[in-house]
This record gives sequence, C-alpha cells and structure tokens, in this order.
Amino acid sequence: QSALTQPPSASGSPGQSVTISCTGTSSDVGGYNYVSWYQQHPGKAPKLMISEVSKRPSGVPDRFSGSKSGNTASLTVSGLQAEDEADYYCNSYAGNNNWVFGGGTKLTVL
Amino acid sequence: QVQLQESGPGLVKPSETLSLTCTVSGDSISSYYWSWIRQPPGKGLEWIGYMFYGGSTIYNPSLKSRVTISIDASKNQFSLMLSSVTAADTAVYYCARDAPSSGWAYWGQGIPVTVSS
Repeated sequence: QSALTQPPSASGSPGQSVTISCTGTSSDVGGYNYVSWYQQHPGKAPKLMISEVSKRPSGVPDRFSGSKSGNTASLTVSGLQAEDEADYYCNSYAGNNNWVFGGGTKLTVL
Repeated sequence: QVQLQESGPGLVKPSETLSLTCTVSGDSISSYYWSWIRQPPGKGLEWIGYMFYGGSTIYNPSLKSRVTISIDASKNQFSLMLSSVTAADTAVYYCARDAPSSGWAYWGQGIPVTVSS
C-alpha cells in the first residue's frame, strides 16, 4: 500500500480543469514543502511537472499548477488537452531521509 | 542537454545480485545528486536511493539492507547493486539526476529487469 493516497482515476473534457489530490499526513505532505508531481505516458519515463509544491520547471506548460493545504497536495491541470492523458504520481519527503510516492492517478481526457 | 542511459542484465536469478549502470553524458557526474527509482509491472513508482559524488548515500529504509549505490567519476557513471533479489524486485529500473528534494528532472529511458530462475 502506497504511503500517499491518490484517486485511482480522474477525467475531464478538453478545455476543462481537473484537480488530482495527494493525501498524506503531518509527517510527510503536511510537514514539508517537498512535494513533487510526475507525469508518465505509457512505456515512457516519468516527467517532472511540479517540484517543491508549486514550482514549475522550465518547459512545463503553465496549465499545470501545484498547491498544498494541510496534509493534502493538489495538481491542477487547466485547459485540458489530449496529450495530458497520462498517469500522474505525487512524491513527498517523509522525514528521516525517506521519500514516498502516491499510488498514481490515471487521467483520462474524454 | 544531459542524457542518462541504463545498462545491465535483463534477467537475474533469485537470491543473486542485481547490478545496473547509468552512463551520464552532457553533465559532470561530480556536480549533482544521482538517483535510482523503480517501477514494478503495472504498479507505481518506488524510490531506491541517491548519492552525491564524494558524499553520503541515502537509501529507502525498506531496501537499505540490500542496496548499494556508487559513482565512478572516471567513467561518468553511477551504479546500483541490489542483493538477494526475489520476484518482488522485478521492475523497470530508472536512473535520474538530482535528489528528490528538487525533483527528478532528468531520467534515463528505464531498463526492465526480471527476477526468475
């Protein structure tokens, strides 16, 4: 069982916004500002979309944004496009030199 | 542009040691943190560990007793060794640049490894 809880699936129509949650505890998500998000297309390596809760790396569209409230981090994808269909994983520092992933969310663009 | 490429055997026998190498081009291996992450078939990601050249290594507590990550700066490579493997270690293994705190922005393509007799 994954340390961080993500919904198994999420969906939205092109142009809409969708938010994926990543719920942990005060010992991980809630305790540190070290939450990152990864996008993974089938058969490909993950791609960093958000680091340190809300920092967007160069080259990542500004349609992707990250936030955190309490023990839950969120990834919002605005203006959904077909190419956004992928699996998304959150990752957080959990203290004591440990890092944990969420179980992943499959995003479907309807 | 930094590029990473994993190499190693795709099949390892149970109880033996899995050994993989990541060759780095476009960056000096002495300038960054270097990580290993894996993904079992059809499952999510699992962080294995990371290290900085000349510095300490940080391992996933659940794998710590079996994992060794090392760097060969002369070859601009870093390696993963995982001992006493079982079928549960069957996964695609990825190497990546940076520590998880800043996010893994650069990844290798991944190498599938099967543990089977």
